[in-house]
Amino acid sequence: RKEVEQDPGPFNVPEGATVAFNCTYSNSASQSFFWYRQDCRKEPKLLMSVYSSGNEDGRFTAQLNRASQYISLLIRDSKLSDSATYLCVVSPNTNAGKSTFGDGTTLTVKP
Amino acid sequence: DVKVTQSSRYLVKRTGEKVFLECVQDMDHENMFWYRQDPGLGLRLIYFSYDVKMKEKGDIPEGYSVSREKKERFSLILESASTNQTSMYLCASSLAALNTEAFFGQGTRLTVV
Repeated sequence: RKEVEQDPGPFNVPEGATVAFNCTYSNSASQSFFWYRQDCRKEPKLLMSVYSSGNEDGRFTAQLNRASQYISLLIRDSKLSDSATYLCVVSPNTNAGKSTFGDGTTLTVKP
Repeated sequence: DVKVTQSSRYLVKRTGEKVFLECVQDMDHENMFWYRQDPGLGLRLIYFSYDVKMKEKGDIPEGYSVSREKKERFSLILESASTNQTSMYLCASSLAALNTEAFFGQGTRLTVV
């Protein structure tokens, strides 16, 4: 079983739709959680960190469920520019920052 | 802005060649990483370094070595390139602190023929 698992998709949604991605992780000692975005042929970039209390940044909401060991990303009012691959990232409780990346979920937003 | 720069965007090498991939970061980050990314396999950690001259194996170190002689530079070495090392290679750096962001270079698409 992979340490971090994501539904690969693809998710094909119309503009304006709400879409949610989930990610499960196996290491209960994990401490830091992130969502990264990767555009086609580009490097991954941080989208948002995920905090225990949940956090929101505009149309994006991230949540963490430690008991069930999953994190989620909700995108409201999808835009064409949201089309990308979304990577779930989990890190242990050390300063070395050795993170484990999920394989990514591909989102295509269509007009 | 943090900048992580990889020496080449595209590289074509022959089987058996020794290949050097260079990565430089300009934000005084302690941690540096080398990943490879392949379709269906996601990002896999090859090696990482949390200090000068320090290195640790990641999940797939076989066939690779690394060098970190200076804090800002982390080199990935393919001792004898093979066709199964054809991939996208991504370098990243981060601060040595909890809950910190990793910054990636633009990637090197290596093709071994």
